[in-house]
Amino acid sequence: DAGVTQSPTHLIKTRGQQVTLRCSPKSGHDTVSWYQQALGQGPQFIFQYYEEEERQRGNFPDRFSGHQFPNYSSELNVNALLLGDSALYLCASSLWGYYFPNTGELFFGEGSRLTVL
Amino acid sequence: AQSVTQLDSQVPVFEEAPVELRCNYSSSVSVYLFWYVQYPNQGLQLLLKYLSGSTLVKGINGFEAEFNKSQTSFHLRKPSVHISDTAEYFCAVSDGSGGSNYKLTFGKGTLLTVNP
Repeated sequence: DAGVTQSPTHLIKTRGQQVTLRCSPKSGHDTVSWYQQALGQGPQFIFQYYEEEERQRGNFPDRFSGHQFPNYSSELNVNALLLGDSALYLCASSLWGYYFPNTGELFFGEGSRLTVL
Repeated sequence: AQSVTQLDSQVPVFEEAPVELRCNYSSSVSVYLFWYVQYPNQGLQLLLKYLSGSTLVKGINGFEAEFNKSQTSFHLRKPSVHISDTAEYFCAVSDGSGGSNYKLTFGKGTLLTVNP
């Protein structure tokens, strides 16, 4: 049973560029959430997708956008990169429609480490 | 708004010693509480969770945590640690809304280092 997979694992960009990160959820899951983990910090919620719509959003600027595809996979896009966007980006999948969290659980991928120079 | 405070950024211990990692939270509503572990260069793995019921929660790898509503705490404990427990530990809270609210607020983490 494949878990959450993310790509790429590492990437380096320069300021002002754009980046796209990809996530495939755990088999059977239909909801994808993205978190940003800066060095030495805990993960911070960016947004969540279900049925190809953004359902919740954290305190991140519009430069951060996402998409969910019919197969439940998801992309995170960041435009006009800043040095402060350097972080580990974590994708987490879960199942919508259960009374959270009695049966639900967030499964995390290993992350995409973005370095902005 | 919710917040989570992990009181120790680093906790060094010797192998086979007991350990407690402290976590306090603030929330105006009922909460669900979690501990996650992150090994180097890996994602997060759920150790245990408190949803309701018994305030003592047992998790994987011999860890347990106790929910204390009056002190708004959810400290993680293990009676005897191993070298392999060396990792970053994160406490997290969700506001427990009905439906599928999977938005977690995390603490800054506690680095547990187990020395031989």
